[in-house]
Amino acid sequence: GENVEQHPSTLSVQEGDSAVIKCTYSDSASNYFPWYKQELGKGPQLIIDIRSNVGEKKDQRIAVTLNKTAKHFSLHITETQPEDSAVYFCAAIDSGGYQKVTFGTGTKLQVIP
Amino acid sequence: EAGVVQSPRYKIIEKKQPVAFWCNPISGHNTLYWYRQNLGQGPELLIRYENEEAVDDSQLPKDRFSAERLKGVDSTLKIQPAELGDSAVYLCASSFSASNEKLFFGSGTQLSVL
Repeated sequence: GENVEQHPSTLSVQEGDSAVIKCTYSDSASNYFPWYKQELGKGPQLIIDIRSNVGEKKDQRIAVTLNKTAKHFSLHITETQPEDSAVYFCAAIDSGGYQKVTFGTGTKLQVIP
Repeated sequence: EAGVVQSPRYKIIEKKQPVAFWCNPISGHNTLYWYRQNLGQGPELLIRYENEEAVDDSQLPKDRFSAERLKGVDSTLKIQPAELGDSAVYLCASSFSASNEKLFFGSGTQLSVL
């Protein structure tokens, strides 16, 4: 089955700095990679996703890059703000097959004002 | 549009007691998921429904866990009897269809087994 590793487990940055979270996956059949943000006491919320036929996707201050050959993908947050503080999860899915979602272990991001 | 609704938000029980969680997915979403999230971990799938059919329950501990989605809309997850190791957040999620990978999560039920 798919195995998704996520690093770092915790990340502290000063407000305005950039944050990068990295994930690797094992199943070459995975072709859809979403990122979820989970605030305290809430369920995960999809913030951005990327498919295997593109290498980068950007939405305002957040971007995701994918290296399919190396089987890794990353979340980039620029100009971080205190409200970006949360736990971020990456995930990998084989959309054409069983479609089981495998989540990473999460990264707790703290943005220091 | 209302999101995925779960209840209760919190539940504290003693071990060996039964407990049930309820989920109402987003209207029109045919696929419903129950996940368990242990502290400091990512969500792990327990069961997935396509309408009223459970299409993946391979990770559901069937000796004590059961689930139903009788009319293909809301769903109930039950644990009987609960064990100390069942303490976790139980998340419900839904998606429009099996081919739509975007999941919408509820706020979860935080279960504490004493």
